[in-house]
Amino acid sequence: ETGVTQSPTHLIKTRGQQVTLRCSSQSGHNTVSWYQQALGQGPQFIFQYYREEENGRGNFPPRFSGLQFPNYSSELNVNALELDDSALYLCASSFKGSYEQYFGPGTRLTVT
Amino acid sequence: LAKTTQPISMDSYEGQEVNITCSHNNIATNDYITWYQQFPSQGPRFIIQGYKTKVTNEVASLFIPADRKSSTLSLPRVSLSDTAVYYCLVGAYNNAGNMLTFGGGTRLMVKP
Repeated sequence: ETGVTQSPTHLIKTRGQQVTLRCSSQSGHNTVSWYQQALGQGPQFIFQYYREEENGRGNFPPRFSGLQFPNYSSELNVNALELDDSALYLCASSFKGSYEQYFGPGTRLTVT
Repeated sequence: LAKTTQPISMDSYEGQEVNITCSHNNIATNDYITWYQQFPSQGPRFIIQGYKTKVTNEVASLFIPADRKSSTLSLPRVSLSDTAVYYCLVGAYNNAGNMLTFGGGTRLMVKP
């Protein structure tokens, strides 16, 4: 059984640029969620995808968008990067409706 | 989702039992209580989940009193590798997207 993987591990971008982060869900899971974790804080929910459609969204602006593919892999896209977007971005997969979510190792994004 | 309150930090020594209590006075009838563990630069890891009374698995025990307004995560005989942040979450299963709402967590430091 393959766990949740994310790429890249680290990324440095300049303010105003766009970024795409990728996630591969654990085998068999049909739901993927994305979280942003600033240094020293708990993860904050961005959005969740089920069957390739957004299935819930946290308090994040529209420049945060996502995709889920038929093989349940997923992307997080962030446009017009701001300095405050610097954080660890976590992907988690699960079965729909479950609170037992399996997290990947995260992508550390630095915006300069 | 019910708001949770946990101690910011705790210290313990190897071999001791550690109990971390979480308050959730506004817990709803359908809410479950879930605990996650997070090591630095890693995604959170599901530890245990319960609804009432006591739940035990190979890693921890979860004690929930009858009024369900608090819960206690018990880690038996901790080791240095249990040094991590522990998050208490409260919420219900639903089909609209199970976002996990993380608070600040409890930073557990295990000393030799």
